Amino acid sequence: LAKTTQPISMDSYEGQEVNITCSHNNIATNDYITWYQQFPSQGPRFIIQGYKTKVTNEVASLFIPADRKSSTLSLPRVSLSDTAVYYCLVGDMNGGATNKLIFGTGTLLAVQP
Amino acid sequence: DTGVSQDPRHKITKRGQNVTFRCDPISEHNRLYWYRQTLGQGPEFLTYFQNEAQLEKSRLLSDRFSAERPKGSFSTLEIQRTEQGDSAMYLCASSQDGNQPQHFGDGTRLSIL
Repeated sequence: LAKTTQPISMDSYEGQEVNITCSHNNIATNDYITWYQQFPSQGPRFIIQGYKTKVTNEVASLFIPADRKSSTLSLPRVSLSDTAVYYCLVGDMNGGATNKLIFGTGTLLAVQP
Repeated sequence: DTGVSQDPRHKITKRGQNVTFRCDPISEHNRLYWYRQTLGQGPEFLTYFQNEAQLEKSRLLSDRFSAERPKGSFSTLEIQRTEQGDSAMYLCASSQDGNQPQHFGDGTRLSIL
C-alpha cells in the first residue's frame, strides 16, 4: 500500500485559503486519494476523494497532477472550526479489495483569529 | 440516516476484565471496519466484515480480541483479559461497498486502570 507524506502541522488565519499537500510517490494504478478530517474525541470525517485532475465539493477541492505522485487539499476561507487533523490516504478502491485505510499521523491545522 | 453509532462512548475497566463494544453501521452498508487509535497517531486497521463474513484480520488483533457481525448488521468487538496496552480509541467505520468511502463513528474510548 502506498505511503503518504504530509506536513506535521500548519498555521493559518480565519478567512484564508489553506492548501495541504501530500506526497504519495508509490501510488498504484488502482489507488484513489482520500482526505479525512478529525476533531479531538471524534472519528475521522470523510472530506473528499479523487483519482486525477480536480475534484470539488461543498467543503473542499482536491488537486491531483497528471503523475498523481502528490495531491493538494484546498480549504477555502477557513474558520476557527476548521482546526483539526487532516489525513491524506491512498488506497485501492477496487470493489474486491479490502480497502483498509492506512493512516499516517496527519497534518494538524491550527486556524487563528 | 443517523450515521455510524458506537456504544459505549467511554469505558473504564480494571486490567484483566473483559469488555465488549458495539457498532451500528449506516443502514444497508455491507462493509464494516474496526480500527484502533492511540494518542497522537492515526487509526490502525484491525479487521473488516463483508456482510456477516470476517474477511481480514490485522496482526494487531491478538487472540484476546474477537469481532462478530452475526446478521450482517451491527458488530461487536470483545477484548478478553484487558491489558494496559489496550487503552485506546476503538473506531468503527462502514461503507456501502469496497468502492465507496468509509464513514466513521465517534469511537469508544477504553481506559484500563
